[in-house]
Amino acid sequence: QSALTQPPSASGSPGQSVTVSCTGTSSDVGAYNYVSWYQLHPGKAPKLMIYEVSKRPSGVPDRFSASKSGNTASLTVSGLQAEDEADYYCSSYAGSNNLVFGGGTKLTVL
Amino acid sequence: QVQLQESGPGLVRPAETLSLTCTVSGGSINSHFWNWIRQPPGKGLEWIGQISYTGTTIYNPSLQSRLTISVDTSKNQVSLKLYSVAAADTAVYFCAGARVVATPWHFDLWGRGTLATVSS
Repeated sequence: QSALTQPPSASGSPGQSVTVSCTGTSSDVGAYNYVSWYQLHPGKAPKLMIYEVSKRPSGVPDRFSASKSGNTASLTVSGLQAEDEADYYCSSYAGSNNLVFGGGTKLTVL
Repeated sequence: QVQLQESGPGLVRPAETLSLTCTVSGGSINSHFWNWIRQPPGKGLEWIGQISYTGTTIYNPSLQSRLTISVDTSKNQVSLKLYSVAAADTAVYFCAGARVVATPWHFDLWGRGTLATVSS
């Protein structure tokens, strides 16, 4: 069982927006602004999409945005495109030099 | 462009030691903190541990007693040894890097991973 809770699946049609949640506790997501989001395509190297709750690395489209409220972080993908179909994982620093991940969400573009 | 390549035996016997190597190419090993992360089949990601180029390590508490991560700066390689493995250690093992100039808790560099299967 993963430390952070994500919905197993999410979906949307091209052009729509979809939001994926990541729920932790007051000891991880709620305590630190070190929430990250990763995109995993099968057989490819995972890609950092968001770091420090809402910051986008260079090269990540601004269609990807994220936020945090209390113990829950959220990733929103706007203007869904076919290439956005992937697994998305959140992570959070959990104190005491420990990092925890969510169980992952499979995003399907209908 | 910095690239990471994980390597190691695909099959390990139960109770033996899993040894994996991450080779960093196209850049300096001194630029990042290096991490190992794994993904059991059909399950989520699990952070295993981290090492700096100076050799300072931090480990996932749940794996700490069976784990050694080391760095060889002369070869630009990071290694993982997981002792006394069991079937639950079967996973794709990823190498990932976090920039030294940033916080060490987000990983902007990843390898494609290598599957390690524990089976007799």
